[in-house]
Amino acid sequence: AQKITQTQPGMFVQEKEAVTLDCTYDTSDQSYGLFWYKQPSSGEMIFLIYQGSYDEQNATEGRYSLNFQKARKSANLVISASQLGDSAMYFCAMRELRDTPLVFGKGTRLSVIA
Amino acid sequence: DAGVTQSPTHLIKTRGQQVTLRCSPKSGHDTVSWYQQALGQGPQFIFQYYEEEERQRGNFPDRFSGHQFPNYSSELNVNALLLGDSALYLCASSLGQGVTEAFFGQGTRLTVV
Repeated sequence: AQKITQTQPGMFVQEKEAVTLDCTYDTSDQSYGLFWYKQPSSGEMIFLIYQGSYDEQNATEGRYSLNFQKARKSANLVISASQLGDSAMYFCAMRELRDTPLVFGKGTRLSVIA
Repeated sequence: DAGVTQSPTHLIKTRGQQVTLRCSPKSGHDTVSWYQQALGQGPQFIFQYYEEEERQRGNFPDRFSGHQFPNYSSELNVNALLLGDSALYLCASSLGQGVTEAFFGQGTRLTVV
């Protein structure tokens, strides 16, 4: 069963606008972590934001925020005030319990238009 | 504070050859995981090393093997290369306890011809 689902293969957003990238996950564990990574064309996976399953507040890191809806098993990434440099692939990932590997979705390609 | 470093950044190998990729984890991290990312796909977990032992393994054949050294650095070895092994190989480091962030290197882009 697919554990991470990203339903948007590609997204376009106007510069300075906000954009939401969708991610749903599947787990029966109570303890897990959700991650978003950015992968520019250079290939490096850049860590953006993390949300623990027990965190009551939505995570925020600068222009990035994670809209965590536990009952719906969704962890959408919101990027505010998009910049041209935000154009990249974005991956949602999950890690269940301790020391288990990250499981990634198939990614969403974001293109920011001037 | 040095992040995760991988070497080499690119290499080209011939089908049937063997290759070794290297990874130095972020300072303070003791767990190294390797991922294979085919073009247009998300990364797929190969295996994870902690305390110099392979702790977990994904769905990859025995041609894929690894090693972790006392300084926590790691190697990924692939024998009898196939054309389908062409991919970006990513190394990630993390602390071994709990559900924590993983930091990735820039990857090694392997092309098998």
